[in-house]
Amino acid sequence: SQTIHQWPATLVQPVGSPLSLECTVEGTSNPNLYWYRQAAGRGLQLLFYSVGIGQISSEVPQNLSASRPQDRQFILSSKKLLLSDSGFYLCAHGDGTTDTQYFGPGTRLTVL
Amino acid sequence: AQSVTQPDIHITVSEGASLELRCNYSYGATPYLFWYVQSPGQGLQLLLKYFSGDTLVQGIKGFEAEFKRSQSSFNLRKPSVHWSDAAEYFCAVGPKSGSARQLTFGSGTQLTVLP
Repeated sequence: SQTIHQWPATLVQPVGSPLSLECTVEGTSNPNLYWYRQAAGRGLQLLFYSVGIGQISSEVPQNLSASRPQDRQFILSSKKLLLSDSGFYLCAHGDGTTDTQYFGPGTRLTVL
Repeated sequence: AQSVTQPDIHITVSEGASLELRCNYSYGATPYLFWYVQSPGQGLQLLLKYFSGDTLVQGIKGFEAEFKRSQSSFNLRKPSVHWSDAAEYFCAVGPKSGSARQLTFGSGTQLTVLP
């Protein structure tokens, strides 16, 4: 079975500092990978998705970037965090021909 | 542009009562449809999904949902709610074609269950 990991679980960072969130998937090969952000009291917003190594599509222009250095690794980064980057970041992988998405446990980011 | 509307921000039901959570979508063609549940501070768990065929789909934890094309709706139901069902519920839609499934989520419905 597939397992999806995210770390760290919680992060508090000052404004202007860099960011690196990591997502890894076990038990599958060449999955589609997704980054979502959930702001307080709101639904999920798709940020990036990847259909393969080095292939990144951005859904929303913003202060963040994503990379996929390995088949089952997806990284969300920022060079300089903004207050508005605070939120709950969720990684998901797609499964099967329908690409049904399964989510990781999330990372709670607070920018102060 | 596609959108998902969950008109009920918060619903309160008594344990043992029936439940229906509403979801309406706007999409160019019939999309894939999903319901997810989220407990506080946790990731999303897939409850059920609809791709094609029988418009009444069964999911985990005793939940079911009915796709109604004429109403662009995909409402979630449970005949008897348990206290452990208290959580936030999200409806989502995604394209049937393409190499990826960029999901559009509703804003969620918070469910409170009274003892």
